[in-house]
Amino acid sequence: DAKTTQPPSMDCAEGRAANLPCNHSTISGNEYVYWYRQIHSQGPQYIIHGLKNNETNEMASLIITEDRKSSTLILPHATLRDTAVYYCIVRVPTGNQFYFGTGTSLTVIP
Amino acid sequence: DAGITQSPRHKVTETGTPVTLRCHQTENHRYMYWYRQDPGHGLRLIHYSYGVKDTDKGEVSDGYSVSRSKTEDFLLTLESATSSQTSVYFCAISAGPGRAGDNYGYTFGSGTRLTVV
Repeated sequence: DAKTTQPPSMDCAEGRAANLPCNHSTISGNEYVYWYRQIHSQGPQYIIHGLKNNETNEMASLIITEDRKSSTLILPHATLRDTAVYYCIVRVPTGNQFYFGTGTSLTVIP
Repeated sequence: DAGITQSPRHKVTETGTPVTLRCHQTENHRYMYWYRQDPGHGLRLIHYSYGVKDTDKGEVSDGYSVSRSKTEDFLLTLESATSSQTSVYFCAISAGPGRAGDNYGYTFGSGTRLTVV
């Protein structure tokens, strides 16, 4: 039961920032937003997560709106290796369950 | 992936036969999960476990059963495989809830590609 909505595909020029949006309008107060990516047919990889504050790590930044109904994942300088499917997920606390939607297929163009 | 292995990596089986997929972890994580991935559907949760002998259903559990007799192993069984169960199956592990802000995230295995003919 995916609780998020993402555009099915996006393109980004190499070296530019990639901004991937996600809507999660039914998110509850104690539910975190997570981002994963999947390259080819490998298992998904963790990128970043947050509750209500903006977060940054060595891979990306996560911007969460004040009402928490949407968020944006930012890859500051996209490379060809960032071509992947990106999943925005709301973590369900019961059982620590993650429900994946269909994600956004990001293509980084040389 | 480090700390989690799936076996077999590939399997072809006939309709109606039983099939068991194994997920093994060396991280001593409490939570383990089975997902399937099909074109147009992303990853869908089949079953998960929150401890030894503690399991629960996910969103697409029909036709599947699981068992967890020890922390490190989580087995997914297709009692009578059907062509609709042809898919890539991923196992994931998680340490589970900790302090607020901890990364409760998953580590995924490399997947098992199952074909039912």
